[in-house]
Amino acid sequence: EPEVTQTPSHQVTQMGQEVILRCVPISNHLYFYWYRQILGQKVEFLVSFYNNEISEKSEIFDDQFSVERPDGSNFTLKIRSTKLEDSAMYFCASSEGLAGGHEQFFGPGTRLTVL
Amino acid sequence: RKEVEQDPGPFNVPEGATVAFNCTYSNSASQSFFWYRQDCRKEPKLLMSVYSSGNEDGRFTAQLNRASQYISLLIRDSKLSDSATYLCVVNEESSYKLIFGSGTRLLVRP
Repeated sequence: EPEVTQTPSHQVTQMGQEVILRCVPISNHLYFYWYRQILGQKVEFLVSFYNNEISEKSEIFDDQFSVERPDGSNFTLKIRSTKLEDSAMYFCASSEGLAGGHEQFFGPGTRLTVL
Repeated sequence: RKEVEQDPGPFNVPEGATVAFNCTYSNSASQSFFWYRQDCRKEPKLLMSVYSSGNEDGRFTAQLNRASQYISLLIRDSKLSDSATYLCVVNEESSYKLIFGSGTRLLVRP
């Protein structure tokens, strides 16, 4: 069964450092997403990406964040200068179509720890 | 008011019990509704979509009341493997994002 994969599974970084979280969505999917979940809190939407551009983003997704699809398979989330409050589980997801009619499949997540 | 509100639980039930979870959402323009399941430190996984007419998938039944902006999930004959956090999830019209509730934790004991 096709699945979304994410690397690394755990990333530890110093405050102020840049991190890149990587995702390989399901191959025939066209819509890509990043969500985050701070420990003990709910899953929160960050950004959606379609046709090589951001289609929607939340208030959390400020200038410190960026997304890219550098090739035909990878989808990345970059945090330019990490803060302590960026520590969270980051989930990548993909879907064939828009959220309403199509399931979003989630990857296993990258646990980001900012020290 | 929270966009999607759930009782956090935990619900602690014996195997074989029937348990029901409720959820309310604030935006009447919400279009699509789902129940996801999340195991500890794992990713959310779709359990079932929720349709206006109600729908059933084996031991799981979901109901939607648009007038009251209320969604429910019923689990019959609980199994130990049903222990998890159940997330009520909503999608708004013309939006790409899923809006998650904080989840209801279920513990099924032997």
